[in-house]
Amino acid sequence: NAGVMQNPRHLVRRRGQEARLRCSPMKGHSHVYWYRQLPEEGLKFMVYLQKENIIDESGMPKERFSAEFPKEGPSILRIQQVVRGDSAAYFCASSPRTGADTEAFFGQGTRLTVV
Amino acid sequence: QKEVEQDPGPLSVPEGAIVSLNCTYSNSAFQYFMWYRQYSRKGPELLMYTYSSGNKEDGRFTAQVDKSSKYISLFIRDSQPSDSATYLCAMSGRTSYDKVIFGPGTSLSVIP
Repeated sequence: NAGVMQNPRHLVRRRGQEARLRCSPMKGHSHVYWYRQLPEEGLKFMVYLQKENIIDESGMPKERFSAEFPKEGPSILRIQQVVRGDSAAYFCASSPRTGADTEAFFGQGTRLTVV
Repeated sequence: QKEVEQDPGPLSVPEGAIVSLNCTYSNSAFQYFMWYRQYSRKGPELLMYTYSSGNKEDGRFTAQVDKSSKYISLFIRDSQPSDSATYLCAMSGRTSYDKVIFGPGTSLSVIP
């Protein structure tokens, strides 16, 4: 069973461009979480999605950021008109449908650099 | 006050030492408590999780939760150089689907 797959691992964008980060959850997992990690800081929650639904987006900036988790395909975190402050590592985690435990498994992250 | 506080370190110990890592939190609704280990430029990996108060042991690792004090700990016995990493405490609410809140992490170096 493959783990959580994120791609690309590294992404360089110029200011004003769009960044698309992809996350394929573990097989059988229908819950996806996105986190951002700035240098020397912990993981900051951004958004929690289930298939086709956004459950909690309280950590996501109101502008320029959006997330989706379609019925088919990976979850996408989209950042429009990127700025230097968006440079960070973005991690995706997934968890299973059952409520028996709270384990969330993380991907290796996408490191976004805005130049 | 931040929801979860953790001493960022860095913490440096000799090989074989017992390591104590700690977090405090302010939200009494937290029920699930986790410790993640993150190697440099890698994703976090779950080490242990506990529900409510109590102790849990797994090999060289012991997790303790004291909900009355809002304080959790991770102990590492017989520390090894391979334990050198950043350790993140994390916690979430009553259901396993509540968002997980992370501490900022403690950087640990185990010196051979």
